[in-house]
Amino acid sequence: RKEVEQDPGPFNVPEGATVAFNCTYSNSASQSFFWYRQDCRKEPKLLMSVYSSGNEDGRFTAQLNRASQYISLLIRDSKLSDSATYLCVVNRRSGNTPLVFGKGTRLSVIA
Amino acid sequence: EPEVTQTPSHQVTQMGQEVILRCVPISNHLYFYWYRQILGQKVEFLVSFYNNEISEKSEIFDDQFSVERPDGSNFTLKIRSTKLEDSAMYFCASSSDRALNYGYTFGSGTRLTVV
Repeated sequence: RKEVEQDPGPFNVPEGATVAFNCTYSNSASQSFFWYRQDCRKEPKLLMSVYSSGNEDGRFTAQLNRASQYISLLIRDSKLSDSATYLCVVNRRSGNTPLVFGKGTRLSVIA
Repeated sequence: EPEVTQTPSHQVTQMGQEVILRCVPISNHLYFYWYRQILGQKVEFLVSFYNNEISEKSEIFDDQFSVERPDGSNFTLKIRSTKLEDSAMYFCASSSDRALNYGYTFGSGTRLTVV
C-alpha cells in the first residue's frame, strides 16, 4: 500500500461549487497531517494543517479520521483561483520525521 | 514573510557532470530538507539535516548525493555525476522545531535538466 494515496482527478467544477478531496495514509503512527497546494511548476505551499477535531479556514475545511486513516479537504464556494493541485501530506511515522506527499488531486474551477 | 531562497532557478548540465544546488533556509529554522519532483510525479523526500548532520535519507539519496551546510546560512545539495534520470525539480525546505504543527516552508525550486 502506498504511504499516501489520493484520487488524481482532475476535478472540473464550476465557480461557486463545493468540492471534496479524500486521502488515505498507510502508517497508523503518523501524527502530522497537512494539505498543501501546488500550482503548475511551482513549489508546494501550505494550505492548512489538519487537526484531530477537524478545522476550518475560511472556505476550507479539513477533517481527520484516525481510525480509518483518512483525511479530507472540503472547498466551498470555489473560485477560479482555487485551480491547482492539492497535495495530502503526512509525516512518515511518529515524531519529527520527514513529510511524505501524495501525488495530488488536480482541481480546475471553470467560469 | 520569511522565505526559503534557492539558486539557480534553472540549471542545464551534461550527463556525468557535478552540480551544486544552493539554498538559504529561513534564518531561525533548525531543520533542513531536500525533496525532488520528476515532471508529472509526486514530491519525493531525499534527505533531512539537523544539527550539522543528516538525520534521515531516502533510498534515492545514494552515494552520488551529498549535502552540506558550509556556513551559517547556506544549505547545498551536490550531485557528483549526474544521470539523465536526475532531471527534476529540486526543492529545498526548512522548518522550525514546531514542524509537526506548522509543516515545512519550501523554496521555489531549481529545475535541473541533464542532457
